[in-house]
Amino acid sequence: AQSVTQPDIHITVSEGASLELRCNYSYGATPYLFWYVQSPGQGLQLLLKYFSGDTLVQGIKGFEAEFKRSQSSFNLRKPSVHWSDAAEYFCAVGRNTGGFKTIFGAGTRLFVKA
Amino acid sequence: GAVVSQHPSRVICKSGTSVKIECRSLDFQATTMFWYRQFPKQSLMLMATSNEGSKATYEQGVEKDKFLINHASLTLSTLTVTSAHPEDSSFYICSARGGTGDGIPQHFGDGTRLSIL
Repeated sequence: AQSVTQPDIHITVSEGASLELRCNYSYGATPYLFWYVQSPGQGLQLLLKYFSGDTLVQGIKGFEAEFKRSQSSFNLRKPSVHWSDAAEYFCAVGRNTGGFKTIFGAGTRLFVKA
Repeated sequence: GAVVSQHPSRVICKSGTSVKIECRSLDFQATTMFWYRQFPKQSLMLMATSNEGSKATYEQGVEKDKFLINHASLTLSTLTVTSAHPEDSSFYICSARGGTGDGIPQHFGDGTRLSIL
């Protein structure tokens, strides 16, 4: 069965420091991978997605993610975190078998300290 | 970019009443819409998937008579929580896709905070 694991429930980084959020997936075929961000009390915003091609994907707000098939990972990175990046981040895998579905990880809460 | 509007953003009502939540795709035709439920500090749980003009497909454990979903047009889906009780209090989020191709992402509404007294 497909699954998405985000090992870190929460992470705290200093403003200006680099960030890496981990995501591992389990899927039998080439996955469709997404990262979403959720601010408190709001819906989800798509940061970036990977379907095929270049394994390093650029997204909005200065985020990027790298697909590593050998490690079944799709980690999200940002070189310099801003206070406004504090939010919940969800990694997700999409599959299209009998209809498209998106499976979400449990999320990682990012705290940014001054 | 693609916009999904969800209304109301917050609703408080008495136990036993029914509550309707609307989800609209504002600038694209949503061939498929999804309804999620999110408990505090948890991930999104898919409740059901609906295609325009067809009956919704519910996930295991979700009561279809409790959570009525209607997807009557390509821009509107509604979720009705019937005879709501305090345990139905949650954050409900809708999502829409503008096609059936694999590469088409989901776009999310801002969610509805439902509180049943």
